[in-house]
Amino acid sequence: KAGVTQTPRYLIKTRGQQVTLSCSPISGHRSVSWYQQTPGQGLQFLFEYFSETQRNKGNFPGRFSGRQFSNSRSEMNVSTLELGDSALYLCASGSGSGGTEAFFGQGTRLTVV
Amino acid sequence: TQLLEQSPQFLSIQEGENLTVYCNSSSVFSSLQWYRQEPGEGPVLLVTVVTGGEVKKLKRLTFQFGDARKDSSLHITAAQPGDTGLYLCAGVPGGGYQKVTFGTGTKLQVIP
Repeated sequence: KAGVTQTPRYLIKTRGQQVTLSCSPISGHRSVSWYQQTPGQGLQFLFEYFSETQRNKGNFPGRFSGRQFSNSRSEMNVSTLELGDSALYLCASGSGSGGTEAFFGQGTRLTVV
Repeated sequence: TQLLEQSPQFLSIQEGENLTVYCNSSSVFSSLQWYRQEPGEGPVLLVTVVTGGEVKKLKRLTFQFGDARKDSSLHITAAQPGDTGLYLCAGVPGGGYQKVTFGTGTKLQVIP
């Protein structure tokens, strides 16, 4: 069974630009969650999608958005990038039932310059 | 907002030593998970504890869930360099599906 695939692995963007990150979950998984990981703040929850609907949302500004497609693949978008958005963005897939294991991808390392 | 505080934040020990990592919250969780993350990788689940007071062992790792289901500990016996990584606890709230809250993390370095 293929794992969670995130693309791209690394990205360098300039302040003010926008970026789209992609996540392909494990086959059969309908839940995709996104996290931002920084040395100072740890792992912060962004949002979770289940069957194309946003089911949970973290405390991030509206510049951070996401969506999920009918094949469960998900994208997250960050508009008007700021230096503070530099982080490792992790995607996790799961069956969607509460408390079950989250399978993480390797992440996308975003650097904003 | 449910917060999970982990201590210590950083730990550097010699191979063969024992250590304990703590995960504390003022909130009650229906279950608690422990993950390990290695550099350049995403976190990987080690264990889930569900019942208050539960103890689970995974080779040299012992996990305990507090009686009140608000805290947990991870004890590693005879640490090895392969144990190096970031250890994260994650609290799963009850009452239907809600987002998992991750702890602040403990960075462990085991020196050969």
